[in-house]
This record gives sequence, structure tokens and C-alpha cells, in this order.
Amino acid sequence: QQQVKQSPQSLIVQKGGISIINCAYENTAFDYFPWYQQFPGKGPALLIAIRPDVSEKKEGRFTISFNKSAKQFSLHIMDSQPGDSATYFCAATDTGNQFYFGTGTSLTVIP
Amino acid sequence: NAGVTQTPKFQVLKTGQSMTLQCAQDMNHEYMSWYRQDPGMGLRLIHYSVGAGITDQGEVPNGYNVSRSTTEDFPLRLLSAAPSQTSVYFCASRMAGGNYEQYFGPGTRLTVT
Repeated sequence: QQQVKQSPQSLIVQKGGISIINCAYENTAFDYFPWYQQFPGKGPALLIAIRPDVSEKKEGRFTISFNKSAKQFSLHIMDSQPGDSATYFCAATDTGNQFYFGTGTSLTVIP
Repeated sequence: NAGVTQTPKFQVLKTGQSMTLQCAQDMNHEYMSWYRQDPGMGLRLIHYSVGAGITDQGEVPNGYNVSRSTTEDFPLRLLSAAPSQTSVYFCASRMAGGNYEQYFGPGTRLTVT
């Protein structure tokens, strides 16, 4: 059973556009929700993370929106650039020991 | 700092062979973990350790063994490789406490024939 469900599986966006990736979870004990960026042949790298006590967190062009009542969170990439082309994973954890990942979204930003 | 390092980068095994994937970190992180990444399935936790001498199972532990004798090293052992263990394996580490930021290694691509 997938603890964190991620959509879409792939996304194509024009340069300068907004990329939006969505995740949903069921376990209300989760209290840390990170997003990772992964380039081909590399390990995932933490992009941005949020705790459920805030509804939004912004770092540069990347924003997490968090809806606790709906048990959903999303990543928004503003002014998407070709260099943002990568695979993005959402994840969740409660104790910081067991992390549950989404299935990933392959983002392609067309110049 | 080298961060999290993994060896080997690539490995091909025959069914039934055993091997150890190495993972080391030089950040004095208490927590270390192993994941496998398969197409369309994201990353799944195999085993994790919250400190030297302490290990626990993740989502998909069957067929894998771990031990943690030092803070720096967290090897993953495949006792009898199976084709279903063909995957990319990532090691990760983080500090103890409430900062859950994980640092991932570059991965080991394992093929079992």
C-alpha cells in the first residue's frame, strides 16, 4: 500500500511556466514533508520541506503548499527553467526514521 | 567533506551470489539508511540505523542484512542475490534530533542475472 501518492507521473512545461506536482497521504501522524530533486545518475537531493504547522513555505522559485485537512501537499515551481528538468519525489515521515516516498514525477521544461 | 559515499558504482551478480554494498559518511551523522529505487515505485526503505549497534527494518527488508559497528559505515549485505534485487541502491544519512534533512549518496546500480 502506497503511503504517499504522487501525481502526475510526468509533466512537460514551457520555460517560464509554473510546474505543479501533487502528493496525498493518509497517515495523520506524518509531520515532515520533504521534496527531493533527482538528476539522472545522481542521488536525490533535498529541495524544500514543510511541517504541518504552516500552510506554505517558499524558497526562491520553489513553494510547498500544505493542506492538512485534505492531507495533501504540492510543489510549485515558478518560472520553470530547462535546468529544472529532473525527477521530483515527495516524501513523508513521522519519527524521521521511516520515510515514505511518492513514485516520482519526471519534469521536462521545454526551452 | 566527501559527504555520503557508496561503492561500487555498478555491480553485476549471478543469482545466488552474495555481496556487500558499502556506504560511508564523514558528517558524524547518527542516522543512516538504505533505499532501493525501482522504476515507477519511488524509493523504498530497506533498513535503517539510528546509531552504532542499532538497526531496524524498513518497508522491504527481506533478502538484505545490515550491521552498524561504527558511526561512519553502514554496509548492506545481499546473502543470496535474486533477479528481483536488480535495482539502484541509495544510502542516506542525517543528524540525530528533529532536523530530518537527509543526504543521499550517488547510488549503486546492481544487476542480478
